[in-house]
Amino acid sequence: AQKVTQAQTEISVVEKEDVTLDCVYETRDTTYYLFWYKQPPSGELVFLIRRNSFDEQNEISGRYSWNFQKSTSSFNFTITASQVVDSAVYFCALSGYGGATNKLIFGTGTLLAVQP
Amino acid sequence: GAGVSQSPRYKVAKRGQDVALRCDPISGHVSLFWYQQALGQGPEFLTYFQNEAQLDKSGLPSDRFFAERPEGSVSTLKIQRTQQEDSAVYLCASSLETPGLARRSTDTQYFGPGTRLTVL
Repeated sequence: AQKVTQAQTEISVVEKEDVTLDCVYETRDTTYYLFWYKQPPSGELVFLIRRNSFDEQNEISGRYSWNFQKSTSSFNFTITASQVVDSAVYFCALSGYGGATNKLIFGTGTLLAVQP
Repeated sequence: GAGVSQSPRYKVAKRGQDVALRCDPISGHVSLFWYQQALGQGPEFLTYFQNEAQLDKSGLPSDRFFAERPEGSVSTLKIQRTQQEDSAVYLCASSLETPGLARRSTDTQYFGPGTRLTVL
């Protein structure tokens, strides 16, 4: 069975602090994708990043970076120098590889509050 | 270009009423997904279309839920005889995924703003 766990329910930081959101996943698939989505108060899910299981290279994109480790089944997401506009619920998600397996399995989300 | 749109944005129904929720995917997107998001939870998969074919409906919670995409673009999620437990945000997502390619792949799903359904 596929499962995504986001153990952090809520995180509160002060603006300009760095913050890391944790994600642990379970899957029996050998090929899969991992995603992070942001859901601001307006409610729309906004795509942030996607990684596939055969590429463990970690990257930085602007203020976002991620750490993908297959050995520990983790896909953590870091925001550097947080801003008030980063306040939202962040979801980690897992999907299969192609066709109907593309359905996303979401975690329960982490509410990030960035205080000015 | 235009993103995924959904209508109505808000719907209030009395218990027992039928409702229809509409999704307009991004033009040219082959795949369309419906998800249900209860308050304080992550979205949960309901059903998946590839063009007009409904290939996976394993997430539909009961036979009161029905989805269609007759021409392979706009989709409608219908809930018959609504119950209070149906209250949730219903999200639609689309992705490009061109079928028939030799190499399977997963394209990113782009979400609409959702329809918030409240059943009284």
